[in-house]
Amino acid sequence: QSALTQPASVSGSPGQSVIISCTGASSNIGTYNYVSWYQQHPGKAPKLLIYDVSDRPSGVSSRFSGSKSGNTASLTISGLQAEDEADYYCSSYTSTYTRLFGGGTKVTVV
Amino acid sequence: QVQLVESGGGVVQPGRSLRLSCAASGFTFSHYAMHWVRQAPGKGLEWVAVISYDGSNKYNADSVKGRFTLSRDNSKNTVYLQMNSLRREDTAVYYCAKTVTPSGDGMDVWGQGTTVTVSS
Repeated sequence: QSALTQPASVSGSPGQSVIISCTGASSNIGTYNYVSWYQQHPGKAPKLLIYDVSDRPSGVSSRFSGSKSGNTASLTISGLQAEDEADYYCSSYTSTYTRLFGGGTKVTVV
Repeated sequence: QVQLVESGGGVVQPGRSLRLSCAASGFTFSHYAMHWVRQAPGKGLEWVAVISYDGSNKYNADSVKGRFTLSRDNSKNTVYLQMNSLRREDTAVYYCAKTVTPSGDGMDVWGQGTTVTVSS
């Protein structure tokens, strides 16, 4: 299966909101409520931000929120902060029990 | 604290084998499915494989199917990734990760990663 589609980059000013989209297909995002989002800073392991489309693990800021419509999931970062500058990846469960990642989105705080 | 520690990475020639290990601590290992995810140099994340909490179900990405095998030993709190017929494109940092809840999907705890370099 092909990777999920994310924009290569997104930017925003401190305090603004940015939205990262993640487009899949009916065999993954469109059918299953198992979309997760990860933040990765350079040289670090990924960090889970959102799971099961919109649930946040304990300890993750409420500035991060997730949603889904059809075959597209979205991650919203509200009140953008300098430390939010990182790479973000979406992932989805698929109809063949595997998982797919998106290509990643670089968020820049300008 | 909840922790995953990978080991077994290294430099290996194309066509050879390598076995990665991931030792878990701080949680009830036998309750959670475990994943392997890799990241080639300068590239994005690629999901590799998952094994169910009891080892009865295993699924691999197409890119490693027939070459990589997952197993786990719940008595040792360890999951293994046996990698055979390695190719240059398998060069990556390999992470193991824990499923966030027994019924949910998402990876909430990650190891520090172990580097595999396939080169002659």
